[in-house]
Amino acid sequence: AQTVTQSQPEMSVQEAETVTLSCTYDTSESDYYLFWYKQPPSRQMILVIRQEAYKQQNATENRFSVNFQKAAKSFSLKISDSQLGDAAMYFCAYTSASGTYKYIFGTGTRLKVLA
Amino acid sequence: DAGVTQSPTHLIKTRGQHVTLRCSPISGHKSVSWYQQVLGQGPQFIFQYYEKEERGRGNFPDRFSARQFPNYSSELNVNALLLGDSALYLCASSRQQGSGNTIYFGEGSWLTVV
Repeated sequence: AQTVTQSQPEMSVQEAETVTLSCTYDTSESDYYLFWYKQPPSRQMILVIRQEAYKQQNATENRFSVNFQKAAKSFSLKISDSQLGDAAMYFCAYTSASGTYKYIFGTGTRLKVLA
Repeated sequence: DAGVTQSPTHLIKTRGQHVTLRCSPISGHKSVSWYQQVLGQGPQFIFQYYEKEERGRGNFPDRFSARQFPNYSSELNVNALLLGDSALYLCASSRQQGSGNTIYFGEGSWLTVV
């Protein structure tokens, strides 16, 4: 069975600084998708970034980028120029490219942004 | 365009009661999934529906059921509520069924069982 692990329950970053959130996963499949979702206090899960496993190039979305290491089964999220609005829970998620369509989420990392 | 909408946003039920949660997907989206998020944890997959048929089911008891209507909206039903069913129930929609389709979440329904 696939698993997703986020080993950092909480992280802090100074406003305008850079922070990296870690995620590792376990799967025997070769084709899959990985995601980072943000969940602010409003509780709505918001898609931050998506990575296709067959793409070697790391995905980027404005201030957000990932470091995807397929062999190491690692998928970290880097947030540059952190802003107060980035404060939230961040969840890493995995879904297979075939078979079931469920998303498997990690336990989350709470990010605090210090002014 | 409106996002995924869920109702009710908050509700309190007593143990043993039944609850129905509702979800309207993003316009043009045909797939709806349900997730349960217990406080302090990540969301757990409950169901996926596509074209009114159940396409996936997570490790949840038969007290949990769902359906999808011709307009692609969906209901999640939970019978014989237990205290442990207290959670945020998230609905997500995607354009198609395939896993290459990103899912987009609603704001959730907070269920408290007392």
